[in-house]
This record gives sequence, structure tokens and C-alpha cells, in this order.
Amino acid sequence: QQPVQSPQAVILREGEDAVINCSSSKALYSVHWYRQKHGEAPVFLMILLKGGEQKGHDKISASFNEKKQQSSLYLTASQLSYSGTYFCGTDSSRAGGTSYGKLTFGQGTILTVHP
Amino acid sequence: DTAVSQTPKYLVTQMGNDKSIKCEQNLGHDTMYWYKQDSKKFLKIMFSYNNKELIINETVPNRFSPKSPDKAHLNLHINSLELGDSAVYFCASSQASSYNSPLHFGNGTRLTVT
Repeated sequence: QQPVQSPQAVILREGEDAVINCSSSKALYSVHWYRQKHGEAPVFLMILLKGGEQKGHDKISASFNEKKQQSSLYLTASQLSYSGTYFCGTDSSRAGGTSYGKLTFGQGTILTVHP
Repeated sequence: DTAVSQTPKYLVTQMGNDKSIKCEQNLGHDTMYWYKQDSKKFLKIMFSYNNKELIINETVPNRFSPKSPDKAHLNLHINSLELGDSAVYFCASSQASSYNSPLHFGNGTRLTVT
């Protein structure tokens, strides 16, 4: 079952902040965040692992609440280049399990930043 | 240098035809994937291969057959194309499992079936 993202769309002016949320009904072992611009491929932003480890982008932060099975992406002091569709991808498999490596994506959040 | 490259970028064909999409990665990654993105932007995994071995095979029609001749290549062959197959197909790779490794996506192949 795919994770649910909220909000579905956000409109900002440059310099404003935004938070995008991702919720799952399954236990999560890792959460990925990607940004996709129109007509382009999704680009990796961040991975959050169960246990607190994070890998990712210097200017973007995120949180992972394992108990609530939720993750949030924090975009601060937004720039025009932040515009795009943001996807969370969740992995509910245990390392070494039969569904190892299956990433399920949310429906996306469209972020538009205006000058 | 392109990290994950797929060809062709656009594919327009008629129902009932057979077509292939090729993917190559030069990142030295062990795992490769095919994802399908529909008109509503929903990204869904189809297959994944680890060192040429099929790891994930989602509930995809048998008309779709992936082939990995080596760990740097993963091709997708589609038989008897249907209108519902129209979508953007993304190839991706990761160092190991996507559990803790970022996915690197190719630029996508936009398939239009008429």
C-alpha cells in the first residue's frame, strides 16, 4: 500500500518555508525523498533510516518518526529552483527479507515557488 | 558522463506491436530497476535485478519481460502493446538495495500506444 503525502500542492513565495508530510500504514525501515521537475527524472534528496541515520542534501532537512510511521521534509528559505513534485518512497522490508529493496512511492506533492 | 541512460526517449507505436527499451548504468551499481509513471504521476515499481538476478517482480502482465545481460544493463521488452501501457518508464539503479541506497533514475522513456 502506497504512503500518503500531504499537502497535495503548495504555493510559496521565494524565501518562505514549507513542510511536506508522508504517512504509511506499515512499519517503515527507510524513507526516501525525491524531487521531480516537469519532464525530468526524479532526483534524490534524502534517505532516512530506522534508527536515525540520514543521508542527503545539505540544504534540506527531514524527520522520521518510526512510531508514527511518518516522515516530514522541511524546505526552508525556498528558492525558485525548489519548484517541482516531491515524492516520498517508503521501504517496509527488513534488510535481507524477501521484499528487500522494494520502494513504494507516495502520490507526490506539487511545490510551486513564485518570485 | 550520463550515469543512467535509457533509449529511446520517446516511443510511439500502435496497439499489438512489440517494443523494447534499453537501459545502461555506468555507476558500478549492483541493483537496477524499472519503474512505471502513469499520467497521474504515480511511480510504481515493476522489476528489480541484483547482479543479473531477478529480485522483485511486481504484479506486471506477462507481456512485460525484463532482461539483464550483465549488472550494468537492464532492458525491458513489451509484447502486444495495449493502450493502458502508455506511460513514462524509468530505469534506475542503486549501489545495493534501495533500503539504504539512493536511486539514480534515467531520463525516462515516454511510451505512447495508439
